[in-house]
Parts: sequence; structure tokens; C-alpha cells
Amino acid sequence: DARVTQTPRDKVTEMGQEVTMRCQPILGHNTVFWYRQTMMQGLELLAYFRNRAPLDDSGMPKDRFSAEMPDATLATLKIQPSEPRDSAVYFCASGLAGARSYNEQFFGPGTRLTVL
Amino acid sequence: DQQVKQNSPSLSVQEGRISILNCDYTNSMFDYFLWYKKYPAEGPTFLISISSIKDKNEDGRFTVFLNKSAKHLSLHIVPSQPGDSAVYFCAASEGKTSYDKVIFGPGTSLSVIP
Repeated sequence: DARVTQTPRDKVTEMGQEVTMRCQPILGHNTVFWYRQTMMQGLELLAYFRNRAPLDDSGMPKDRFSAEMPDATLATLKIQPSEPRDSAVYFCASGLAGARSYNEQFFGPGTRLTVL
Repeated sequence: DQQVKQNSPSLSVQEGRISILNCDYTNSMFDYFLWYKKYPAEGPTFLISISSIKDKNEDGRFTVFLNKSAKHLSLHIVPSQPGDSAVYFCAASEGKTSYDKVIFGPGTSLSVIP
């Protein structure tokens, strides 16, 4: 049963601490997305990768957020230093890139981040 | 400024009746539209989509209608069932630029009352 996994599922931290969220995409998928869900904005796209290369990170606050794919089976989203306004649910999704068509994104269960 | 808008944060419908969820968009370059469904404590899952060359797409109880001139789409669920209670996200992409990059709306929470 192929699915996207995310760790941790819940994270509570104090302002100023570093937070790292991890995602394991579905084997064989070549695109990975990071989204943030807030009440006001819904699902915001933070960054996405194709074949491990970053394609777009325009939705990400550059000064404190960073996203990487060390290898094809791991994507990370790091916040340093964290702030209370970063409290949200962070979703990872993966899919197969389509040059001529849309392909479904498969979402993980999310990481609920609370910054005190 | 939100490119995909869902102006109704919530909707309640009686079981067996029709649910209509609405979505408006501002970017005329969008050419592919999607609906995702999300249950609590889970990630969103794909529900149904429509290309801009069509004005209707149907899949079982779910139908999506697209009105390009009004930049409006809607999702109809007939008949509504209690298991349909979830948050529904409207989303859009610019295929000519990138089919991968999808912009989501804020979501509408649907409650189907037994």
C-alpha cells in the first residue's frame, strides 16, 4: 500500500528553536511538494521539487525556511528559528510529473506544528 | 491576493439532498481545475478534475461544472451522504507553464446531516 509518510506527526516547540519535518514520497514518484495549511489561507504551496531539483520555492519565507531532497526517498523542510506564526499543519505530497498533463498529487497525513 | 477563492467557509446539507460547493478564480491562465477532499487528521485526496476545454465532468455522484467566462466552477454532490462530510478544496493549475504547480483555495467545510 504505497503512501506518503511524514514525521513527526505532531511537534510542539518553543519560539527560536529549529524544527525539521521529514517526508518519504511514494517510491517512483519524481515530484515532491510542501504545503502549509492555515485557517486563513487554506493550502499554501511552499516549495516543490522535480527529480530532487528545486523548481519553485517562491511561497517560502527565505530567511527562516529551507527545503531539501538529500535523496529520492527523503524530503526535508526546516524552520530556523521558528516563530509562533509558523504554527500550522505542514503537508508533503508526491506525484509523477506530467509534461503534457496533470498528474494527481498524493498527500501525506501532515505534521502539526505548534510554536509557543 | 488569492487566485482561487471559496467564499463559503462552511455548508450544511441534509442527507439525500444536493450539495453545491462553489469556487471562483482570478487567473485567466488557469486551464486545469481540481477538487480535493480532506478528512480530519488526514491529508487531502484527489476527487475530480476538469480541463478548460470542457464545461462538465461527471464521476458517479460527483459532477464539476466550469464556466470560463465567469471564472467560476462548482462541485455538485448528488445525493449527499454523511460520509461526504469533509473539507473540500478547489484548486487550479496553468498547464502551459506547469501542470505540477497547483494553487489551492481556502476550502469549504461540508456537513451532511443524517
